Amino acid sequence: DAKTTQPNSMESNEEEPVHLPCNHSTISGTDYIHWYRQLPSQGPEYVIHGLTSNVNNRMASLAIAEDRKSSTLILHRATLRDAAVYYCILSVKTGANNLFFGTGTRLTVIP
Amino acid sequence: NAGVMQNPRHLVRRRGQEARLRCSPMKGHSHVYWYRQLPEEGLKFMVYLQKENIIDESGMPKERFSAEFPKEGPSILRIQQVVRGDSAAYFCASSPPGGRGYTFGSGTRLTVV
Repeated sequence: DAKTTQPNSMESNEEEPVHLPCNHSTISGTDYIHWYRQLPSQGPEYVIHGLTSNVNNRMASLAIAEDRKSSTLILHRATLRDAAVYYCILSVKTGANNLFFGTGTRLTVIP
Repeated sequence: NAGVMQNPRHLVRRRGQEARLRCSPMKGHSHVYWYRQLPEEGLKFMVYLQKENIIDESGMPKERFSAEFPKEGPSILRIQQVVRGDSAAYFCASSPPGGRGYTFGSGTRLTVV
């Protein structure tokens, strides 16, 4: 399974944009890029996913590099409720048995 | 439907006892996945079940752990003769047929004393 590399932790001020990077230099042509987040004492929550084109939804935006070797999750205005561990995951197959969680990036939002 | 329901939220067991963790998937979801999360680590896949069938158990320890998803009722993850190393958060996820659109529960935190 293709691996991802994320910073262990990041900080952001409240109401400012946050850019969470993810490197996946060994990504294959059919791997989807998924982002999940885990709030304290909760299970993971789906955020967004994409294949090649940038994606937007009500929670966030996903910017995918042209060579697909990296991607960035963008939270447009961080709130205190966005404090969580964010996981970048590659998966080509359907089924949550094919989601491989690393240690993610712990985002701290400063009021 | 309030989502994927896991119970209990917290479970304390003495070494050697059995732990039974329950997961009720979202309405209309027929696929269930169990994950384990050790402290300060990411989630690790354990087992994938559909009604009355185990589809993928590649992440299940070979001994003491079993899982089922009966025709009626919740999915059960059973750990026999628990040891301290089994202390972890156990998460269940469900998805509809087709396998996409996973929703996770809030987990069961097992503490073995």
